Amino acid sequence: KNQVEQSPQSLIILEGKNCTLQCNYTVSPFSNLRWYKQDTGRGPVSLTIMTFSENTKSNGRYTATLDADTKQSSLHITASQLSDSASYICVVSGANNNDMRFGAGTRLTVKP
Amino acid sequence: GAGVSQSPRYKVAKRGQDVALRCDPISGHVSLFWYQQALGQGPEFLTYFQNEAQLDKSGLPSDRFFAERPEGSVSTLKIQRTQQEDSAVYLCASSRWGYGYTFGSGTRLTVV
Repeated sequence: KNQVEQSPQSLIILEGKNCTLQCNYTVSPFSNLRWYKQDTGRGPVSLTIMTFSENTKSNGRYTATLDADTKQSSLHITASQLSDSASYICVVSGANNNDMRFGAGTRLTVKP
Repeated sequence: GAGVSQSPRYKVAKRGQDVALRCDPISGHVSLFWYQQALGQGPEFLTYFQNEAQLDKSGLPSDRFFAERPEGSVSTLKIQRTQQEDSAVYLCASSRWGYGYTFGSGTRLTVV
């Protein structure tokens, strides 16, 4: 069983709308959690990184939250744009920063 | 260079053929990772280098897969006697000290 589960698997929203992507993990011990954006045909690009003590972190229209007690994270996208269409991948690191566990990603499509 | 460079971007190989995929990390980055990403899935860990030392190769799916980084900079992932199930995108990522990771755009390998 994957130690990082993301939902939904895919999502279609209209331009300008908000959306929230979920990430649940069982990785333990936990070091940090990252959200990446992966455009089609490109490598993942980091959006946010949060350590155990951080509850929220923003990067422009992207806001990530973390509840280390329930092992849940969310990525909220505000006022979506067509360019937000991509896969969003949750990555959790264990005790070692280099021990990264990837979720399967949520495929977001923003339509005009 | 400014980012992680991978070559070739696309590779079509006949089943049984050997292939070599190259990764040029960001200059000075100590850590280098290789991942395999199947269509619609998150990246799966293959192997990890710290400088020229291959510290973890537990993700390599078979002894047909071999990676090296002889001088601690450029890395090559070699796949011998390619099979159809090897078709995937191969991503390389590098990091200075194991915290911020930069991914390349990947090499899409198609085995026919």
